[in-house]
Amino acid sequence: DQQVKQNSPSLSVQEGRISILNCDYTNSMFDYFLWYKKYPAEGPTFLISISSIKDKNEDGRFTVFLNKSAKHLSLHIVPSQPGDSAVYFCAALNRDDKIIFGKGTRLHILP
Amino acid sequence: EADIYQTPRYLVIGTGKKITLECSQTMGHDKMYWYQQDPGMELHLIHYSYGVNSTEKGDLSSESTVSRIRTEHFPLTLESARPSHTSQYLCASSEQHYGYTFGSGTRLTVV
Repeated sequence: DQQVKQNSPSLSVQEGRISILNCDYTNSMFDYFLWYKKYPAEGPTFLISISSIKDKNEDGRFTVFLNKSAKHLSLHIVPSQPGDSAVYFCAALNRDDKIIFGKGTRLHILP
Repeated sequence: EADIYQTPRYLVIGTGKKITLECSQTMGHDKMYWYQQDPGMELHLIHYSYGVNSTEKGDLSSESTVSRIRTEHFPLTLESARPSHTSQYLCASSEQHYGYTFGSGTRLTVV
């Protein structure tokens, strides 16, 4: 049973518009959430994170929102740029400091 | 300027061969991890270590083995490679509660 779910395998967004990537989780004990970005043939790179005591964290063009009651988080990228085309993994850190990853969402930024 | 290194980046090998995937980090992190990822799928934790001489199996069963004789080195070994072992293998390390730093990965193909 997946504890971190990304239900959209892919997403296409026009350059300059907002990209919104969604993620749901099932374990209410998760207290730290992360987003990773991955290009083909490379390892994931850390993008942004949020603690469960917050509902929003912003870093430049990237903002992560957390809705604990709905067990839902989202990553907003605005404005979207061609270099943002990649696979984005939502992840949660459990109490053992192990990260549980979702299946990823492939984001295509269209010119 | 990566602080965690994986070699080789790509490996094509015949069935039955013994292989070792190397992973080294220069950050002094105690915690290290091996993930396996098939295309379009989530990253699955196969091994982790919380320090020298400490290794544990992850959530996904794997025929590979690992060792942690030195803090900076966490190699993964397959005694007899099979086509079912074809995958991407990602090594990561972490400090407490700060998420992971990933290497570039090794893409293994067993023919």
